Amino acid sequence: KQEVTQIPAALSVPEGENLVLNCSFTDSAIYNLQWFRQDPGKGLTSLLLIQSSQREQTSGRLNASLDKSSGRSTLYIAASQPGDSATYLCAVTDAGGTSYGKLTFGQGTILTVHP
Amino acid sequence: NAGVTQTPKFRVLKTGQSMTLLCAQDMNHEYMYWYRQDPGMGLRLIHYSVGEGTTAKGEVPDGYNVSRLKKQNFLLGLESAAPSQTSVYFCASSYLGQLYEQYFGPGTRLTVT
Repeated sequence: KQEVTQIPAALSVPEGENLVLNCSFTDSAIYNLQWFRQDPGKGLTSLLLIQSSQREQTSGRLNASLDKSSGRSTLYIAASQPGDSATYLCAVTDAGGTSYGKLTFGQGTILTVHP
Repeated sequence: NAGVTQTPKFRVLKTGQSMTLLCAQDMNHEYMYWYRQDPGMGLRLIHYSVGEGTTAKGEVPDGYNVSRLKKQNFLLGLESAAPSQTSVYFCASSYLGQLYEQYFGPGTRLTVT
């Protein structure tokens, strides 16, 4: 059974810092990996999706990397801002014809960026 | 283009009552999912559907039923609510052509007393 772990559980940084969020998964046979953002009391917003054949994806100040063989992904946030404060969730879709995109989630990292 | 919408946003039930949560998507997605989010447990898949008229069990299906009579709608039913079903429920949809990238609704906060 796939298990996803995110470290750290919480992170507090001053504005302007570059930071890294970590995600690990136990079964390397994945189809893709997604990073989501969740604001308090809100739904999930997809930030980046990395296919299993890719090494990284970038969107603005965000860069996600994937090392499938070691079961790891990192989300790098450059020049953090208070508006980046949220919970960041990592989720994987297993490979295989019957996965149908089902996601297995980590428990998230709560990020606080203070001015 | 509303994306994924959920009805209702909040609900309080007494133990033993029943209710249906409605999810609707306007993106013509084939796949739809129901997750629950609990503190310390993360999001867990309840049921999912790979197309109109089909449903399947996820990780935590007990106590829930689902139906997908129309492609754009996915209903989650609680026949006899229990306090353990107090949670935030999220619906999502995806499309193979978009690599199963999932789009989530805003959630339904359910409290069972």
